[in-house]
Amino acid sequence: GQSLEQPSEVTAVEGAIVQINCTYQTSGFYGLSWYQQHDGGAPTFLSYNALDGLEETGRFSSFLSRSDSYGYLLLQELQMKDSASYFCAVRRKAGTALIFGKGTTLSVSS
Amino acid sequence: SAVISQKPSRDICQRGTSLTIQCQVDSQVTMMFWYRQQPGQSLTLIATANQGSEATYESGFVIDKFPISRPNLTFSTLTVSNMSPEDSSIYLCSTLGSGANVLTFGAGSRLTVL
Repeated sequence: GQSLEQPSEVTAVEGAIVQINCTYQTSGFYGLSWYQQHDGGAPTFLSYNALDGLEETGRFSSFLSRSDSYGYLLLQELQMKDSASYFCAVRRKAGTALIFGKGTTLSVSS
Repeated sequence: SAVISQKPSRDICQRGTSLTIQCQVDSQVTMMFWYRQQPGQSLTLIATANQGSEATYESGFVIDKFPISRPNLTFSTLTVSNMSPEDSSIYLCSTLGSGANVLTFGAGSRLTVL
């Protein structure tokens, strides 16, 4: 079987830093991705890690450790607009669809 | 990245009927994927649709219930057959972007089955 585990909810205040963890167990691994989804919207791509280490894109960073089957998404300088659901997702092999985790709902308050 | 148009955006359907969702991409793509997302839940992959071959279904999804067409490299349809209230969900089509590591999604079709 395959599973991706991430916390169901996280709350934080504006300006803070939040880390959303994801552990995975899948048959095949070809990279870990993160997607953001606002209420009523479609998921949108945030980041992708194929190799171990940290990828930084503006206020968002993502980390992967393949030996630990673990990754995280780090959101810095939180803004109200960051309130959304965040999904980690695994590609089992090249050119195939993603398998998504259950999602983490982030609530940012002022 | 590709732009995906999906319709209908929402519909209310009667139990026992079928509904076809259309997905149009603004560029040619090899693979298209259909997902289901129940309210407040994650995205579950239904099937992968390749042009010129039968769709590949994930465990728990069958062709009789979710027939898929892929007549060309820019278009696909998903039919939800013999609907029941349990089929009430958002159905999303998606495709791999030019970067090959990015999934782009349509806006989704929200189905309510009464």
